[in-house]
Amino acid sequence: AQTVTQSQPEMSVQEAETVTLSCTYDTSENNYYLFWYKQPPSRQMILVIRQEAYKQQNATENRFSVNFQKAAKSFSLKISDSQLGDTAMYFCAFMKHRGSQGNLIFGKGTKLSVKP
Amino acid sequence: NAGVTQTPKFRILKIGQSMTLQCTQDMNHNYMYWYRQDPGMGLKLIYYSVGAGITDKGEVPNGYNVSRSTTEDFPLRLELAAPSQTSVYFCASRGASGTQEETQYFGPGTRLLVL
Repeated sequence: AQTVTQSQPEMSVQEAETVTLSCTYDTSENNYYLFWYKQPPSRQMILVIRQEAYKQQNATENRFSVNFQKAAKSFSLKISDSQLGDTAMYFCAFMKHRGSQGNLIFGKGTKLSVKP
Repeated sequence: NAGVTQTPKFRILKIGQSMTLQCTQDMNHNYMYWYRQDPGMGLKLIYYSVGAGITDKGEVPNGYNVSRSTTEDFPLRLELAAPSQTSVYFCASRGASGTQEETQYFGPGTRLLVL
């Protein structure tokens, strides 16, 4: 069975600085997807970034980028130029590749606070 | 774009009551999911569906039932509410495998309190 671990329950960062959230996972699959979702106080789950395991290039979306280390089964999220609106819970999630039921396996989340 | 919609937003139930949480998506997605999120935790899969007429259990299905009569709708039924079902419930959908549509899109959630 797949598991996802987020070892940092809470983190804080000053506005405009950079922060990195950690995620490790365990799987015997070779092809899969990894995601970071943001959950602000409104509770809406918002996709931040996704990574296909067969792609060596790290995904980037504006201020958000990942460091994907397949051999180490590590998938960290870097937020650059942090903004107050980045304050939220961040969840790392794993999904098997095609041919599966395609549900997400979530970590327990990291609560990020951006301070002015 | 409506995306995934859920009703109600919030509900208080008494122990033993029943209710249906509604979920509708307008993206013509085949795959739909119900998750629950307990305080301080990530989401756990309750039930899922790979298309109209096809449903299956996830990690935590006890106390729930689902149906999928159309592509758009995937209601979740609680028959005998228990305090352990106090949670936030999320519905999600995604498109076909092997495409960008593999990303799951979530509804806004339904907060349920069972007293």
